[in-house]
Amino acid sequence: GAVVSQHPSRVICKSGTSVKIECRSLDFQATTMFWYRQFPKQSLMLMATSNEGSKATYEQGVEKDKFLINHASLTLSTLTVTSAHPEDSSFYICSARLVGVEAEQYFGPGTRLTVT
Amino acid sequence: QKEVEQNSGPLSVPEGAIASLNCTYSDRGSQSFFWYRQYSGKSPELIMFIYSNGDKEDGRFTAQLNKASQYVSLLIRDSQPSDSATYLCAVRRYSSASKIIFGSGTRLSIRP
Repeated sequence: GAVVSQHPSRVICKSGTSVKIECRSLDFQATTMFWYRQFPKQSLMLMATSNEGSKATYEQGVEKDKFLINHASLTLSTLTVTSAHPEDSSFYICSARLVGVEAEQYFGPGTRLTVT
Repeated sequence: QKEVEQNSGPLSVPEGAIASLNCTYSDRGSQSFFWYRQYSGKSPELIMFIYSNGDKEDGRFTAQLNKASQYVSLLIRDSQPSDSATYLCAVRRYSSASKIIFGSGTRLSIRP
């Protein structure tokens, strides 16, 4: 399968600061990437769809000014959590979609964010 | 009604037996179907995808799709303790440009 990396894998930050998470497709080009959030023992929640060269599409209830997404190239998307608060502490996972009929999605390893 | 429904489990299966995981979906326009495995604290891993009616086999895994009944399943033969995880069913509607809708997952436990 295709490989997606995320960096950092874990981050601890203070309340009010911003954190940037990078998602890279290592062996394929991804015109579309997705950002998910998952709280403990809960299901995946899609936050936004990131398209290369255009603005991200946010799901209902997700603040676009708080979760800034940039998809500057075919292999890199970034998520910046601005003015982080303890309730933003979660597992953030990106996913990249292959081009093609099946267009399956592969997930990165995730970033565990803790806001103190 | 949820778009993709799965029994949350836990489903307990003895080692060596067949584990059967089921998923139903509500939109008849759905085209592609995926099974992901997620270990606790890790991100989901794609294990199978299917888009034609019938069975698709890959090693110990078999995905089964019945579009008339809006039903997709995953069979795991010769279950191993390492198969213990949460299994997510995911469905894509219409085209490859559509987003995938995930079920909430079934927790599978393989007992030695």
